[in-house]
Amino acid sequence: SQTIHQWPATLVQPVGSPLSLECTVEGTSNPNLYWYRQAAGRGLQLLFYSVGIGQISSEVPQNLSASRPQDRQFILSSKKLLLSDSGFYLCAWRDSWSGVTEKLFFGSGTQLSVL
Amino acid sequence: LAKTTQPISMDSYEGQEVNITCSHNNIATNDYITWYQQFPSQGPRFIIQGYKTKVTNEVASLFIPADRKSSTLSLPRVSLSDTAVYYCLVGGYNTDKLIFGTGTRLQVFP
Repeated sequence: SQTIHQWPATLVQPVGSPLSLECTVEGTSNPNLYWYRQAAGRGLQLLFYSVGIGQISSEVPQNLSASRPQDRQFILSSKKLLLSDSGFYLCAWRDSWSGVTEKLFFGSGTQLSVL
Repeated sequence: LAKTTQPISMDSYEGQEVNITCSHNNIATNDYITWYQQFPSQGPRFIIQGYKTKVTNEVASLFIPADRKSSTLSLPRVSLSDTAVYYCLVGGYNTDKLIFGTGTRLQVFP
């Protein structure tokens, strides 16, 4: 069966520090991968998505970046965190095969507090 | 991309049926409608998915009219544990960019 691992669960970082969040998926091949962010009490904001190794589509953030060095690994990074980067970060995956309808599976999330 | 619109919040009492409607006027032919449930500090989880008419599983029903421009998630006899945020998402197998709407915050009271 497929599983998604996301870590760390919680993170407290000072403003201006770097960030690296990692997500890995097991039990599937060539998944679509997603990073979402959720501010306190708000909805899910799509940050990045990837349809293959090295293929990253960016939606919103200016000081965040994402990379997909391996088929089932998705990394969210920042060189210098801002206060506004605080939030709940969620990694998700879905099958990319033609004929399989979209169903997203989410990780357990990382609660990031930038102080 | 089909944009979705949902009520921001709803209140209910235990044992009642709750219907949450999602509007998606520009849904594409290949798009399915999927509903997710999210509890605080957790990732959303899949509830139900449908293309047209009615779909029912062990936790919910999904009603989709013929024009498919809206859908209604029906939760029978809600309990306190159904207090959560519910999102509808529209997309198909060829939709890579999956954007959620604002979601509906359901509060169930005893």
